[in-house]
Amino acid sequence: GENVEQHPSTLSVQEGDSAVIKCTYSDSASNYFPWYKQELGKGPQLIIDIRSNVGEKKDQRIAVTLNKTAKHFSLHITETQPEDSAVYFCAVGGSQGNLIFGKGTKLSVKP
Amino acid sequence: DTGVSQNPRHKITKRGQNVTFRCDPISEHNRLYWYRQTLGQGPEFLTYFQNEAQLEKSRLLSDRFSAERPKGSFSTLEIQRTEQGDSAMYLCASSFDSPKLFFGSGTQLSVL
Repeated sequence: GENVEQHPSTLSVQEGDSAVIKCTYSDSASNYFPWYKQELGKGPQLIIDIRSNVGEKKDQRIAVTLNKTAKHFSLHITETQPEDSAVYFCAVGGSQGNLIFGKGTKLSVKP
Repeated sequence: DTGVSQNPRHKITKRGQNVTFRCDPISEHNRLYWYRQTLGQGPEFLTYFQNEAQLEKSRLLSDRFSAERPKGSFSTLEIQRTEQGDSAMYLCASSFDSPKLFFGSGTQLSVL
């Protein structure tokens, strides 16, 4: 089955710096790659996603890049703010929506 | 609030008891998913419905677990004879013909 690895498990940055989180996956048939943000006591919230026919997608300070050949994708957050502090999960899936999640990255943005 | 709603938010039970959770998806979403999340881990897929049909079940869903979605609207997840290993956050998500899932806030289960 699909295996998703996410790195790093924790990341601490200064406010205003950039943060990068990386994920690798094993199933070359996977074609949907979302990123979720989870705050304490809440469910995961979709922040950006990308499909396999696109190499990069950007939404304001957040961007995702996908390398299908190498089977890895990354989340980039620029100009980080304290409210970006949360746990971020990558996920991999097909059209049915049964996503396989990474183990998460705890991002801390220090003011 | 038009998001995914889950009840109860917290459930404490004794080992061996049965528990039932409810999920109300976003209106008109035809797909409904259940995931389980333990501390420090990502959500793990349990099962999913397309309308009222249960189309896929993970091997994590033992025979003590049962999920229903009567009439293709809300869903219930029941755990019979709970064990301490069932302690986790149970998350529900919904979508409309898309893998883009919208999650509820979950039900935190503690089995004593």
